[in-house]
This record gives sequence, structure tokens and C-alpha cells, in this order.
Amino acid sequence: DIQMTQSPSSLSASVGDRVIITCRASQNINNYLNWYQQRPGKAPKLLVYTTSSLHSGVPSKFIGSGSGTDFTLTISNLQPEDFATYYCQQSYSSPYTFGQGTKLEIK
Amino acid sequence: EVQLVESGGGLVKPGGSLRLSCTASGFTFTDAWMSWVRQAPGKGLEWVGRIISKAGGATTDYAAPVKNRFTISRDDSQNTVYLQMNSLKIEDTAVYYCAWTGLSWFAFWGQGTLVTVSS
Repeated sequence: DIQMTQSPSSLSASVGDRVIITCRASQNINNYLNWYQQRPGKAPKLLVYTTSSLHSGVPSKFIGSGSGTDFTLTISNLQPEDFATYYCQQSYSSPYTFGQGTKLEIK
Repeated sequence: EVQLVESGGGLVKPGGSLRLSCTASGFTFTDAWMSWVRQAPGKGLEWVGRIISKAGGATTDYAAPVKNRFTISRDDSQNTVYLQMNSLKIEDTAVYYCAWTGLSWFAFWGQGTLVTVSS
């Protein structure tokens, strides 16, 4: 199975900041990397698929990049609604594994 | 508007069975690949399995922890996907989400249904 490792596991930031979350795959997954946001008590929502394609309705403040084994999600101009947990997920091969999550908290 | 509504969760004893349903609207269900993803209390996300469209053979694929115990099926006439869970274990306790699946990314999710396995 492909292991997905996110860093950091938690992150404190202020409204208006820009943050970067990293996801590393245990093997080359080409660009088959997706990002989700989950607010407390809610279902996850797709933000970015295949590394850098923005899902419909997702604001352009979310930017995905990377290739091979190393990927990032950059979130600009943090707003209160952005403080949530973020997960990466590989869709290169079954089983379709997730990272352990990065909890973004307000400083 | 895409809507996915799960139902069927509840409390079940170890070794028991439960069937979850997910009814979809707002997209062409017959063409859709559908997945189940679960989240144990306070934990991260875990892919459970997937069923592709009938045109693609309605092929299923499962994660190792649930293979041979869980079965995903679909009824396109009802726009519904099912997750039959047998031989349930305590570690199957989780919120179960269904998701409309792109090429193995999870584009839209239901609100989830809680399954608690406990004696």
C-alpha cells in the first residue's frame, strides 16, 4: 500500500496568513494527489484533485502543486472558515490512502 | 445540486450485520462511480471500497480490512448504493460516508451515518 505522510500534523496561524501543508507519498504517484477540507462535525469536501485542479466552487486561494512523491497545498489570506483539518489522498492505486491530516488552528 | 443521503447506521453487536444505504440526486447516477469512506471517532479518513458504473461492469474493489466481510452494491433504478457489512468488529465503529467518485477522488460526500459496534 502507498503510505501518505502529511506535515505538519497541526499548525497555528492567524487570519490573513498564508500557510503551506505538505504531503509525501511512499512511492511515485505521478500527479494523482487530491486534497480535502473537513470542518468539525462535517463531511469532508474536495478542494483540489490531480495535484492542482480546483474543484468546482473552490476559491482560488487554495493552490495545489507538486509531482512524483512530494506535494503541497497552499492556502492564502486565511479566513475564519479555513480553520479546519486538511487531508491529502492518493488516487494512483488501490487502496486509495489518505494522509493522517493537518489540523489548522487559529493562533 | 448534488445530494447524497446515507442511512442505516446504528448500534450492532460484534459479529452482527448492518446494511447502509446512500441515495443520490442531482447527477446522473447510472454513470457514477460510488465509494464508501469511513472515519473512526477522532481519527482520520479511511477508504472502504468502491463500485463502478454498470456500464463498466459494476466492478467492486475493497480495502483489505473489510474485504470478504463488506459488499458494495447498487440499484440504479433507486439511485442508491449500498454497503452490506457482515461479521462486524469493534474496530469497524466509525462514521461511514458515501461519495460520488471521480477517477478515484471523492468529489461529493454525504453527511455520514454512524455505525457503533459494541457489546
